Amino acid sequence: DIQMTQSPSTLSASVGDRVTITCRASQSISSWLAWYQQKPGKAPKLLIYKASSLESGVPSRFSGSGSGTEFTLTISSLQPDDFATYYCQQYNTDSTWTFGPGTQVEI
Amino acid sequence: EVQLVESGGGLVQPGGSLRLSCAASEFTFSTYAMSWVRQVPGKGLEWVSIITAAASNTYYADSVKGRFTISRDNPKNTLYLQMNSLRAEDTAVYYCAKGVRSGGWYFDYWGQGTLVTVSS
Repeated sequence: DIQMTQSPSTLSASVGDRVTITCRASQSISSWLAWYQQKPGKAPKLLIYKASSLESGVPSRFSGSGSGTEFTLTISSLQPDDFATYYCQQYNTDSTWTFGPGTQVEI
Repeated sequence: EVQLVESGGGLVQPGGSLRLSCAASEFTFSTYAMSWVRQVPGKGLEWVSIITAAASNTYYADSVKGRFTISRDNPKNTLYLQMNSLRAEDTAVYYCAKGVRSGGWYFDYWGQGTLVTVSS
């Protein structure tokens, strides 16, 4: 099975900061990677798919990049609504889909 | 707006069974794969199972294979998860999610979740 790691596990930042979260796969997944945002007590929300495609309605301050085994999610200017936990998910294989352990973005 | 509403969660004893449902609306349910993803409170997301649009294929995480069964009723726009031989480690919030085919599947809409607690 493909394993996913994320770094950092926790990130302390301020409003207006540029924030970057890294996700790594244990083997190449091409560009088959999605990013989700989750706030406490809420369901995850899709932000990015196919590594860099922005989901409709998601603010343009969110961007994704990478391919193969290393990917990044960047928030260009952190807003108060962005304090949340972020998960990556690989969907390369046709039999199992795995999420990263999450990165909590806090003040 | 796509709506996914889970139900059927609750308290069950170890070894017991439970069936979760997910009622879907505002999209053509029969043309999309559907999945279950769970989350232990305070922990990360774990993909559980997925069923293709016509129910021709199902996939399971190793942790639930042989104990859980995913199914769907397309005329009723409803997804199910039959959970048998439940263990304490199955305690989690269970989300249903709409799948988008692209390589494998990612998930563009999620329900609000239903809590399953396995305890004596």
